[in-house]
Amino acid sequence: DGGITQSPKYLFRKEGQNVTLSCEQNLNHDAMYWYRQDPGQGLRLIYYSQIVNDFQKGDIAEGYSVSREKKESFPLTVTSAQKNPTAFYLCASSKGMVYGYTFGSGTRLTVV
Amino acid sequence: AQSVSQHNHHVILSEAASLELGCNYSYGGTVNLFWYVQYPGQHLQLLLKYFSGDPLVKGIKGFEAEFIKSKFSFNLRKPSVQWSDTAEYFCAVLLGSSNTGKLIFGQGTTLQVKP
Repeated sequence: DGGITQSPKYLFRKEGQNVTLSCEQNLNHDAMYWYRQDPGQGLRLIYYSQIVNDFQKGDIAEGYSVSREKKESFPLTVTSAQKNPTAFYLCASSKGMVYGYTFGSGTRLTVV
Repeated sequence: AQSVSQHNHHVILSEAASLELGCNYSYGGTVNLFWYVQYPGQHLQLLLKYFSGDPLVKGIKGFEAEFIKSKFSFNLRKPSVQWSDTAEYFCAVLLGSSNTGKLIFGQGTTLQVKP
């Protein structure tokens, strides 16, 4: 079945460490997105990519980095510069906004 | 800055009650609008969307939403809720073109339906 795979589901890291969250899709979608979900704040856009080797900052990009070397993959690195990294991270892809997004199941990151 | 507001953060209803969840956006241009739902333990999934045409949009599971341009609103409705409608609901606005845009989400509304 086609879809988006985010791994791992739960991730624990010590403060000051960088951590990379994986997002893979086999839907042949050009566009991919990373959102952060916090209680009472909805989903906030971190980074997005419309095509391979190109990406743009979203509303809360500080402390995060991404790469898009392959169409299928859009990993997100949470760096030590992110002040409050503990959150639920959602990856999404789209073949065109008329179809909306397809979401992954998310990664819950806890920094201790 | 463009934003999406969902005024009801937590709604509790009994089964068979009618539902209306508010969504307002602040954006002066052409908008395309979405409602997403996140059932407990499941992925976010598309409930319905508005791009053009009839402002009353019907979605899955008996949900509908009405786009009122003059009020910058896109409220979600269901005449009779079921226990299985318990979920978190997100309104979203598409900024940019339909091919290269990005979605801006509201804060979400948690709906709890009592059996």
